[in-house]
Amino acid sequence: AQSVTQLDSHVSVSEGTPVLLRCNYSSSYSPSLFWYVQHPNKGLQLLLKYTSAATLVKGINGFEAEFKKSETSFHLTKPSAHMSDAAEYFCVVSRLDGNKLVFGAGTILRVKS
Amino acid sequence: SQTIHQWPATLVQPVGSPLSLECTVEGTSNPNLYWYRQAAGRGLQLLFYSVGIGQISSEVPQNLSASRPQDRQFILSSKKLLLSDSGFYLCAWSASVAYQPQHFGDGTRLSIL
Repeated sequence: AQSVTQLDSHVSVSEGTPVLLRCNYSSSYSPSLFWYVQHPNKGLQLLLKYTSAATLVKGINGFEAEFKKSETSFHLTKPSAHMSDAAEYFCVVSRLDGNKLVFGAGTILRVKS
Repeated sequence: SQTIHQWPATLVQPVGSPLSLECTVEGTSNPNLYWYRQAAGRGLQLLFYSVGIGQISSEVPQNLSASRPQDRQFILSSKKLLLSDSGFYLCAWSASVAYQPQHFGDGTRLSIL
């Protein structure tokens, strides 16, 4: 079965410093992977997706993620954090049937001024 | 472009009252539609999934039901709400092709008194 582990439940960074949100996945096939962001009392917004094309995926708002098959990882990064990046981030893998998703537990990102 | 509308944004209901939450999608045809519940500290739980009009799959047994009377309309209902039905309800759609991302509405915060 597919699963996702987000290695940190909370991450705190200072504004202007790099962001790293870690995600490991488990899948018996070549997965589709996604990162979503959720601001308080809002729905989830798609940041980026990996679907077996380039291993370095660029998303919105300066975020990017690198698919590393050997490490079964899909970490999310951003060179310079902005206050507006403070939110909860979810790493997500597609299920084998292709129509449903498996969500990680989420990482809450705090950005300090 | 595609948009998803979900209403109401917030709802306060007494125990034992009925429920109807509505979700509509614009700008696409024959989408897959999903209802999720997000409880504090428990991540996203898939409640219902639909691939077409009148076709509903339930992921977990519960006090809720779903219907899809039109191609781009998805309704979440209950005849008698329980305290445990409180939570943040999210509707989502995806293209009817495997391994596509889902796109979420802004959610409904449901409080049961």
